[in-house]
Amino acid sequence: NAGVTQTPKFRVLKTGQSMTLLCAQDMNHEYMYWYRQDPGMGLRLIHYSVGEGTTAKGEVPDGYNVSRLKKQNFLLGLESAAPSQTSVYFCASSYSIFTQPQHFGDGTRLSIL
Amino acid sequence: GQQVMQIPQYQHVQEGEDFTTYCNSSTTLSNIQWYKQRPGGHPVFLIQLVKSGEVKKQKRLTFQFGEAKKNSSLHITATQTTDVGTYFCAGTLETSYDKVIFGPGTSLSVIP
Repeated sequence: NAGVTQTPKFRVLKTGQSMTLLCAQDMNHEYMYWYRQDPGMGLRLIHYSVGEGTTAKGEVPDGYNVSRLKKQNFLLGLESAAPSQTSVYFCASSYSIFTQPQHFGDGTRLSIL
Repeated sequence: GQQVMQIPQYQHVQEGEDFTTYCNSSTTLSNIQWYKQRPGGHPVFLIQLVKSGEVKKQKRLTFQFGEAKKNSSLHITATQTTDVGTYFCAGTLETSYDKVIFGPGTSLSVIP
């Protein structure tokens, strides 16, 4: 029972490089989220999706893009990485926004040099 | 800006002492969830509160949702070393149903 799987777990990038973080869930959840976690800031929502083919901006969307082509996958892209994007990125999914808890992946530690 | 706040930011307790963290919102919440994140781990759902004044218990943990649905608390009785971690509250605003806002968390250290 995998739950939410994030790939990769660690990555080091140079400023200006691009990359894609992959999130896959096997719980048939409609809602998926991307967060970043920085010391003292808690979890901040980057983008989210309420279903296949939909995406919406969260609290800190600048510099990121997302796609949800399949219900089970939610991709987070960095087009031109900046040192300010050094963070731990968590993907989560839930059955619905209101009534169900979010299930988190193990996170991706991303460093931008 | 941050609409859900938590205090304290850090708490160090001796094993066996009680611990409380408080979550406060500037606006009314439709519900609140609590999560625990162990060091190096990911957030794990603990509980959800929906009703005004609701109180729920899980063994040594007691969760409360305020009457005005703007604040919540988590109380741990007789802490153990397994309680170490960061506790986050997460609220859905009544005025913004499409996302959940996390508080900054309270980091708990338990001294054996």
